[in-house]
Amino acid sequence: DAKTTQPNSMESNEEEPVHLPCNHSTISGTDYIHWYRQLPSQGPEYVIHGLTSNVNNRMASLAIAEDRKSSTLILHRATLRDAAVYYCIPTNYGGSQGNLIFGKGTKLSVKP
Amino acid sequence: GAGVSQSPRYKVAKRGQDVALRCDPISGHVSLFWYQQALGQGPEFLTYFQNEAQLDKSGLPSDRFFAERPEGSVSTLKIQRTQQEDSAVYLCASSLDRVGQPQHFGDGTRLSIL
Repeated sequence: DAKTTQPNSMESNEEEPVHLPCNHSTISGTDYIHWYRQLPSQGPEYVIHGLTSNVNNRMASLAIAEDRKSSTLILHRATLRDAAVYYCIPTNYGGSQGNLIFGKGTKLSVKP
Repeated sequence: GAGVSQSPRYKVAKRGQDVALRCDPISGHVSLFWYQQALGQGPEFLTYFQNEAQLDKSGLPSDRFFAERPEGSVSTLKIQRTQQEDSAVYLCASSLDRVGQPQHFGDGTRLSIL
């Protein structure tokens, strides 16, 4: 399983963009990069995933480095509701394990 | 539509008691996962079902932990002879299939063992 490194915490101001980095230097060629977030007292929530190309959805954008050893989750305009722990999770679709392996994630604080 | 539902939301038990935690996955979801989340940590995998078959129970911490999904929908996680170290949030997730589909999580059951 690929090991990930994320900052323990980050701060942002409301309505400003947020870039959440993740290093996954041991990622395998078939691992997709998933991002989940967990709001206080709630279960984790899927945010976005990708393999090689940058991805966009209604929640966020995912920028993946050309060598795939790192990625960045981009929240274009942070809101107070985006305050959560964000987890970067490499996941191998072709392997025998489909369960998610969470690290400690990045706790994002959003200031009004 | 309805998401993953877990009950009870909170459970307090005395050490040594047995507890049962319920998970109602999203209708039609084939895959069901149980995770355990200790305070301040990320969730950790416990077990996985594909329909009614338990295909992976490698994360269950001891033989006191038992999970079932007899009809391929609702699942129950049972903990026998609870210990204080079992105190945690137990999360259930379901997905359309194991491979590639996002997992949808319930809000968990917070278990406190006194």
